[in-house]
Amino acid sequence: QSALTQPASVSASPGQSITISCSGSSSDVGGHKYVSWYQQHPGRAPKLIIYDVSNRPSGVSNRFSGSKSGNTASLTISGLQPEDEADYYCGSYSSSTTSRVLFGGGTKLTVL
Amino acid sequence: EVQLIESGGGLVQSGGSLRLSCEASGFTFSDYWLSWVRQAPGKGLEWVANIRQDGGDKYYVDSLRGRFTISRDNSKNSLYLQMNSLRAEDTAVYYCATESARTPLAFDMWGQGTMVTVSS
Repeated sequence: QSALTQPASVSASPGQSITISCSGSSSDVGGHKYVSWYQQHPGRAPKLIIYDVSNRPSGVSNRFSGSKSGNTASLTISGLQPEDEADYYCGSYSSSTTSRVLFGGGTKLTVL
Repeated sequence: EVQLIESGGGLVQSGGSLRLSCEASGFTFSDYWLSWVRQAPGKGLEWVANIRQDGGDKYYVDSLRGRFTISRDNSKNSLYLQMNSLRAEDTAVYYCATESARTPLAFDMWGQGTMVTVSS
């Protein structure tokens, strides 16, 4: 079981919006701003799409946005496109003694 | 062009050792914290370890501490992961990644990964 909890899958049609949640604790997601999101297509390396809860790296579409409330972070993808179909992972700094970085278990996004 | 190229993966028997390498180009290697992140087949990401720009600070996930050692050679633009006493559960693709200069622990450049298979 992963330290951060994400839904296993989500699906929607092109043009729609989806939100993926990432639940943690006050020791990780809820305790600071160092929450990031990654997109991974099959057979490829992950790609950073959100850092510090809500910031987008240069070149990442503004259809991707991030937010946080309490111990839960969220990734929203608006105007879904077929190429958004991928796995999405949240990551967070953790003040626990077991690991400095925790990832969620990943969410498979299917664009119908 | 920014590149991170991992090597050193392969098939090893349980209890054996491997040394992974990650060679960087296209950016100032010594400016970045670096991490290893692994992904077991069909599973999610797991952070393994990271190392400060000068190699002075190193951190590990608790479950691997003592078996894995991270190191770097800035003169060779290279990152390493020495893996000892390997177990079947260490089977995974191992990625090297840079941590963003903007903020800690956000991984903004990744290699293509190297596969490690531990046979029992």
